[in-house]
Amino acid sequence: AQSVAQPEDQVNVAEGNPLTVKCTYSVSGNPYLFWYVQYPNRGLQFLLKYITGDNLVKGSYGFEAEFNKSQTSFHLKKPSALVSDSALYFCAVNTGFQKLVFGTGTRLLVSP
Amino acid sequence: DTAVSQTPKYLVTQMGNDKSIKCEQNLGHDTMYWYKQDSKKFLKIMFSYNNKELIINETVPNRFSPKSPDKAHLNLHINSLELGDSAVYFCASSQEGARGSYEQYFGPGTRLTVT
Repeated sequence: AQSVAQPEDQVNVAEGNPLTVKCTYSVSGNPYLFWYVQYPNRGLQFLLKYITGDNLVKGSYGFEAEFNKSQTSFHLKKPSALVSDSALYFCAVNTGFQKLVFGTGTRLLVSP
Repeated sequence: DTAVSQTPKYLVTQMGNDKSIKCEQNLGHDTMYWYKQDSKKFLKIMFSYNNKELIINETVPNRFSPKSPDKAHLNLHINSLELGDSAVYFCASSQEGARGSYEQYFGPGTRLTVT
């Protein structure tokens, strides 16, 4: 079965420090990978995606992610975290026919 | 200009009742979805419609019935509500792309509480 795993329930980082939220995937064939963010009591917002091409993908709010085929990973990164980045982050993979399978989510807490 | 809207935002009802949640998108997308997010924030797809045609139907109890009157609307009707149906339900939409290369846009969610 095609899936993504987010091994960390929570990531804590100080404001101004770089952040990484981890995601690994398990799919047959070439994956379409996505990152979404959910702020409290809100719907999910699209951040970025990898479909093909350059392994480093840039997205909204200064976030980027690196697709690593050999390690089957798609980690989300930001060079300098903001307190306002605190939210729930979901990695997702499209398994075909536009069906998204989400990871369990990682709560990011950025302290001032 | 709300891209994907849902009504109501909150829904509190008793076991056994029937309720509906409405969703509308003004993005011109061909595909719409319903997701369920449980209390642990786990998100799972329930249904997907493309141009009013059902294309994804996960293992959801048949008490749940989606209806798509046109490609801009996808409603969710739930019969005989149970305690376990309490969750946040999200509607989403996307363009139709090869193998799902397009991102999905989510509504604000409907928090359903069954007492």
